[in-house]
Order: sequence, then C-alpha cells, then structure tokens
Amino acid sequence: AQTVTQSQPEMSVQEAETVTLSCTYDTSESNYYLFWYKQPPSRQMILVIRQEAYKQQNATENRFSVNFQKAAKSFSLKISDSQLGDTAMYFCAFMKPSVRDDKIIFGKGTRLHILP
Amino acid sequence: AAGVIQSPRHLIKEKRETATLKCYPIPRHDTVYWYQQGPGQDPQFLISFYEKMQSDKGSIPDRFSAQQFSDYHSELNMSSLELGDSALYFCASSLGLETRGYTFGSGTRLTVV
Repeated sequence: AQTVTQSQPEMSVQEAETVTLSCTYDTSESNYYLFWYKQPPSRQMILVIRQEAYKQQNATENRFSVNFQKAAKSFSLKISDSQLGDTAMYFCAFMKPSVRDDKIIFGKGTRLHILP
Repeated sequence: AAGVIQSPRHLIKEKRETATLKCYPIPRHDTVYWYQQGPGQDPQFLISFYEKMQSDKGSIPDRFSAQQFSDYHSELNMSSLELGDSALYFCASSLGLETRGYTFGSGTRLTVV
C-alpha cells in the first residue's frame, strides 16, 4: 500500500520569502504520479503542480516548483516570492495510473501561513 | 470552463436521517470519485465509478451507497446518519486514465446534529 508523509504540520513565512514544504512517500510502483494540492480557507481543492515519476525533470508552474528525488522517494514543493494568497493547507498526494485503482492518496497536510 | 458541480453546498441533518449528495462531472468525464474530509483531516477516498460501474472502494461505511447514472452524474446516499459523518464531501471527475490530477468540486458540507 502507498503512503504519503508530510512531516511539517504547520509553517509560517514572511511575504516575498521562499518556503519549502516537505513530502516523502512509500510505494513499490515504478510508474506513478505525484501532486501538490492547495486548500485555501474556502476549502476548494486546487491542483498546484504534478510530477510524473518517469520524468527526471522537476516540474515548475510559475512560482511553484518541486524537487523530485525518486530514489529517496521525496517530493518537496518550493514556493518562491510567497504571497498572502498562498496561505492555505497544502496536501502532497500520490496516484497510481490504473483503471480500477487510481484513487489519490493524500498526506496529512501542511498548513502554511504567509505573514504580511 | 465547466467544472465539477456538487449539490447542495451545505446540508444539515439530524441523527438517523438520510442524506443524498449529488455530483455532476465535467462534460465527457467518465470517472467520478467521492472523498470525505473530516475537520482538520486529509481527504479520505470513499468510492469511485468508471463508466457507470463501481471501479474502486475505500473506507466507505455500509450505511453509505453510491451510483453513477447514465448521464454520468453520481449520487452518494447516506443513511442512519451519525454525528461522526459531519464532514466535507468532495466529488472529483476525470476522463479515463487522466493523469493530470483530477478536478475536484467545491464540496458539500454535511453537518449532522
């Protein structure tokens, strides 16, 4: 069974700073996908970034980038030039591409506060 | 762009009552997933449907049932409600083996009193 671990329950940084959220996972699969989801106070679940396990290049989406270390089973999220609107709960998530077993498994989340 | 529509947005029920949550996937999406997120918790997978057939099942209580209809919308039926069923219920949809990370609806907040 796959597991996702986020070791930082809560973090606070000043606006405009860079922050890194940690995530490790455990799986015996070789082909899978990793995601970071953002859940602001509105509780909407928003996809921030995704990474295919077979791609060595780290994914980047504007101010968001990941450090994917497949051998170490590590998948951290870096937010550059943080903004007040980045305040949210961030979930690291795993998915195995399979017609009948493609549920997303979430970590416990990291609550991120961006301070003015 | 069309999103995943869930109704109602909020629902208040008494213990032992029944609730029905509805989910309308993005047009052409053939797979629907249901998740339950308790207060301060991560979302937990309940059940999924692919082409109107149940495809995977998670930690869904026997008191809950769900189905996907011919128009691909899905309903989650919850009976004999308990206080612990109070949670945010998300529906998500995808197209086949969509690996971009499926799209979540805004959720239905169920409060059992």
